[in-house]
Amino acid sequence: KQEVTQIPAALSVPEGENLVLNCSFTDSAIYNLQWFRQDPGKGLTSLLLIQSSQREQTSGRLNASLDKSSGRSTLYIAASQPGDSATYLCAVYAANQAGTALIFGKGTTLSVSS
Amino acid sequence: DAGVTQSPTHLIKTRGQQVTLRCSPKSGHDTVSWYQQALGQGPQFIFQYYEEEERQRGNFPDRFSGHQFPNYSSELNVNALLLGDSALYLCASSFDGTASLKSGYTFGSGTRLTVV
Repeated sequence: KQEVTQIPAALSVPEGENLVLNCSFTDSAIYNLQWFRQDPGKGLTSLLLIQSSQREQTSGRLNASLDKSSGRSTLYIAASQPGDSATYLCAVYAANQAGTALIFGKGTTLSVSS
Repeated sequence: DAGVTQSPTHLIKTRGQQVTLRCSPKSGHDTVSWYQQALGQGPQFIFQYYEEEERQRGNFPDRFSGHQFPNYSSELNVNALLLGDSALYLCASSFDGTASLKSGYTFGSGTRLTVV
């Protein structure tokens, strides 16, 4: 059974700091991995999508890496800003008992202080 | 280009009642998936609709049912509501084709359901 774990569960940093969010998954047989941002009480905004054959993707201050063999992904945020405060969710598109679906971690809640 | 649209945004229901949530997928998408997100948790997969049929289902009871219409929009129905059904219900759309794995999912803003 595919399980996704995100560490840490919460993180507080001062503005300007570079930071890394971690995601691990138990089964390396994934099709892709997607990082999302969620503001309190809101829906999910896709940040980066990494195909299983790729090693990383970059968008602005965000960089996500994928190591399928070790079951790990990291989201690197450069020069953090208060507007980056949100919950970051990692999800793998993989086979589960229902077929194939997005399987999520519980998220990392980030707070950036000015 | 409209993204995924969900309605209503908020809903309060009484235990035992029935509720219907609605979702319009992103233009060009033909597959709709529904997720339940309890407070402090990651979204949990409920089911997925493609070509007007339920293609796969997560670990949710039969009280949860759905429908997809010819225009690809979808409804999620929950019968005999329980207090534990209180959650944010998210709809996600995708394109089911060889490109589907490359385009990822697009999520709506969700419907906040409160059961009292």
